[in-house]
Amino acid sequence: NAGVTQTPKFRILKIGQSMTLQCTQDMNHNYMYWYRQDPGMGLKLIYYSVGAGITDKGEVPNGYNVSRSTTEDFPLRLELAAPSQTSVYFCASTPTREGAYEQYFGPGTRLTVT
Amino acid sequence: GNSVTQMEGPVTLSEEAFLTINCTYTATGYPSLFWYVQYPGEGLQLLLKATKADDKGSNKGFEATYRKETTSFHLEKGSVQVSDSAVYFCALSDRWGSSNTGKLIFGQGTTLQVKP
Repeated sequence: NAGVTQTPKFRILKIGQSMTLQCTQDMNHNYMYWYRQDPGMGLKLIYYSVGAGITDKGEVPNGYNVSRSTTEDFPLRLELAAPSQTSVYFCASTPTREGAYEQYFGPGTRLTVT
Repeated sequence: GNSVTQMEGPVTLSEEAFLTINCTYTATGYPSLFWYVQYPGEGLQLLLKATKADDKGSNKGFEATYRKETTSFHLEKGSVQVSDSAVYFCALSDRWGSSNTGKLIFGQGTTLQVKP
């Protein structure tokens, strides 16, 4: 199993550009999450999804959008990149609600906005 | 609301020293508790977990016991190695909460540096 995969690994954007961060999991997990991690800080939840077609905002959703058309994929869209969005982005997934809710993380995307 | 507080780092130890990283939590329900580890340049990996009071999670020589009376989940290891140098995150999930979304609440992370 590949687990949770993210692309790209690195990206540099100019202010105002747009991009999509890709996230795919092959574990048939219903729940998926997007986090950002700023230097020296913990993780902040951007958006999450409890199943295909269902998404909701986390702590820091401004400037981002998500969609969930399939169980496997949960892309994160930045529409108008700003320097404040320079961060490392992690995607994660977790299995059914009956579990302990441990989350499985992807390797991350390091984004720089200049 | 739910929250997690970890001891501030960085923690610097010599190889073979004893490690404790403190973690306390606030939760309204009966959370599951986790320790995640992040090695340089990588994503987070689950290190260990505990799902109810008095459970002890263990993995790779690390241990943590779910103490409901003190709302704590301290991470310990008897003899650290240079390869244990990483950032450690304590987290909780209120899986019985009304929202039931599986969201994790993370502490701010503690950096451990082990010197030879």
